[in-house]
Amino acid sequence: NFMLTQPRSVSESPGKTVTISCTRNNGNIALNYVQWYQQRPGSAPTTVIYDDNQRPSGVPDRFSGSIDSSSNSASLTISGLKTEDEADYYCQSYDTSNEVIFGGGTKLTVL
Amino acid sequence: EVQLVESGGNLVQPGRSLRLSCAASGFTFNDYAMHWVRQAPGKGLEWVSGITWNSGRIDYADSVKGRFTISRDNAKNSLYLQMNSLRAEDTALYYCARAPHSSVYHRADYWGQGTLVTVSS
Repeated sequence: NFMLTQPRSVSESPGKTVTISCTRNNGNIALNYVQWYQQRPGSAPTTVIYDDNQRPSGVPDRFSGSIDSSSNSASLTISGLKTEDEADYYCQSYDTSNEVIFGGGTKLTVL
Repeated sequence: EVQLVESGGNLVQPGRSLRLSCAASGFTFNDYAMHWVRQAPGKGLEWVSGITWNSGRIDYADSVKGRFTISRDNAKNSLYLQMNSLRAEDTALYYCARAPHSSVYHRADYWGQGTLVTVSS
């Protein structure tokens, strides 16, 4: 098994760009796809990025995902921040035994 | 429209059992693998279990292995989670989620709204 580590919180102003990291502690980050979920207060999670960098239909192109093997991490970048982007964001991957692994979550504040 | 509606959550004493259900609609249930994911109050997401379309493969998180059993009834478009020997640390909102494939549950694409399980004496 491995762990996915995210910053507990990030904040940025409306209109700016923010990047949330997700670092895998062992094994190559590129070995298994990474997903990103958005969870607004009181709501169920929704997918904003799947398979490292794919956007589901309906998710604005302000959201993008990437993988960096040099830092063994995945990143979610949100550009042109809006107040509606304020939420918790979770990265997620899986291991070779099919166990699904979530990062601890990052609270994004748009102020 | 894909809909997942969980039920069965309740206040239960430690050591007791509870069975959660998830009613699926808006898609061909037996074409998809399914998950249970939980979220303790104020905490992050924790994967609990996954099951393939035909129940041919089932996996559990170590934290629930031997106590929880996932199952599905494709004729009833329903997913279940039998939870035995419940502990205080099982207190959480339990989500039913769909995997976008039939034979693997590497991610979720649709989630229900959750059902709350509280384990307390």
